[in-house]
Amino acid sequence: GAGVSQSPSNKVTEKGKDVELRCDPISGHTALYWYRQSLGQGLEFLIYFQGNSAPDKSGLPSDRFSAERTGGSVSTLTIQRTQQEDSAVYLCASSLLGTGGEKLFFGSGTQLSVL
Amino acid sequence: GENVEQHPSTLSVQEGDSAVIKCTYSDSASNYFPWYKQELGKGPQLIIDIRSNVGEKKDQRIAVTLNKTAKHFSLHITETQPEDSAVYFCAASHPAGGTSYGKLTFGQGTILTVHP
Repeated sequence: GAGVSQSPSNKVTEKGKDVELRCDPISGHTALYWYRQSLGQGLEFLIYFQGNSAPDKSGLPSDRFSAERTGGSVSTLTIQRTQQEDSAVYLCASSLLGTGGEKLFFGSGTQLSVL
Repeated sequence: GENVEQHPSTLSVQEGDSAVIKCTYSDSASNYFPWYKQELGKGPQLIIDIRSNVGEKKDQRIAVTLNKTAKHFSLHITETQPEDSAVYFCAASHPAGGTSYGKLTFGQGTILTVHP
């Protein structure tokens, strides 16, 4: 595809359930990011993958959150034992690393609602 | 850590007027400042960015200025059009120890409405 693809576009789940969110980055992009967008917190960095390097997990809010990137391409963000405060739009972005700046290409996000 | 403050939270202008959005940052080590535009139901899209070794950058009707001493930067949109209506986010980053420019701290966003 031409852009970053995220699925599902909407997810409604019950408190305590686990959810998986998927991201297909732009082909050839070496870096992949997850951000969370919520009304109270704005856009927050969650995790960053670059090639075969260890991911930067410094933005993950708790140990209920994890992510992996398989084969340097598709990524999955998993939230275990979801809580109502996890309700937000989860955005994935990919980029080509360069010097002096880095253009992120965002997907349209997954709207997660925890009831 | 870095903190980015953005003002105003909402901005309403008439078509053809100029719009200015301002951001301040706290970490003097930040050296990359992008602006993103987000339309309803879509992800943010980069519209312009500036590095700390540059004071101003223009791209058609959009310009960004940076004052490193005061730690603030601004987005200027001239001759606004209804299609400029969106949410605009400023951001800052400073890659260190091999981290990426894409690890951004965002401002809270400005809802810009351009009235025809």
